[in-house]
Amino acid sequence: EAGVAQSPRYKIIEKRQSVAFWCNPISGHATLYWYQQILGQGPKLLIQFQNNGVVDDSQLPKDRFSAERLKGVDSTLKIQPAKLEDSAVYLCASSHTGRTGNTIYFGEGSWLTVV
Amino acid sequence: KQEVTQIPAALSVPEGENLVLNCSFTDSAIYNLQWFRQDPGKGLTSLLLIQSSQREQTSGRLNASLDKSSGRSTLYIAASQPGDSATYLCAVSDNNDMRFGAGTRLTVKP
Repeated sequence: EAGVAQSPRYKIIEKRQSVAFWCNPISGHATLYWYQQILGQGPKLLIQFQNNGVVDDSQLPKDRFSAERLKGVDSTLKIQPAKLEDSAVYLCASSHTGRTGNTIYFGEGSWLTVV
Repeated sequence: KQEVTQIPAALSVPEGENLVLNCSFTDSAIYNLQWFRQDPGKGLTSLLLIQSSQREQTSGRLNASLDKSSGRSTLYIAASQPGDSATYLCAVSDNNDMRFGAGTRLTVKP
């Protein structure tokens, strides 16, 4: 079974530039998550999708971050304009249903450095 | 607001030693608790999932316990190996969110 795919793996941009990350979840997984992990910290949920609808985006900085999941499969996370403090790993994850009872599968992450 | 703490932040042990990693959380109204492993430059791999009604889960050399009333979980690793070197994170799911601890970075020396 293929895992969660993410691209690009690494990205270096200057502050105020924009960047987009792509995620393809495990086939058949209805729930998709984007997490931000700053070095030395645990992941923080940015947004959760159930199929193509948003379940939770309470911690998404909506003035600069946006995410969509067209057709309930792939998802993109965009940052515009980027700030230095956005330097982090952006982890995409998926699960069969919601997080309360199912194992979550993570991708390898997209590493962002903002200079 | 749920807070998850992991102690110690880093741990170094010789190969073959049994060890315990600790996780504490502030709100006992949880659905489940998961332990994850993260290798450098990689994503997270789920190791064990304990539902709120369970006390422990075992997988191979790993055993995780959950004490909801005291807000604590432990991950026991038996007969540690250099391949166990990684960061171990616990995550607590409640009605609102899944919150992660900052992790314990484990090094097992040959």
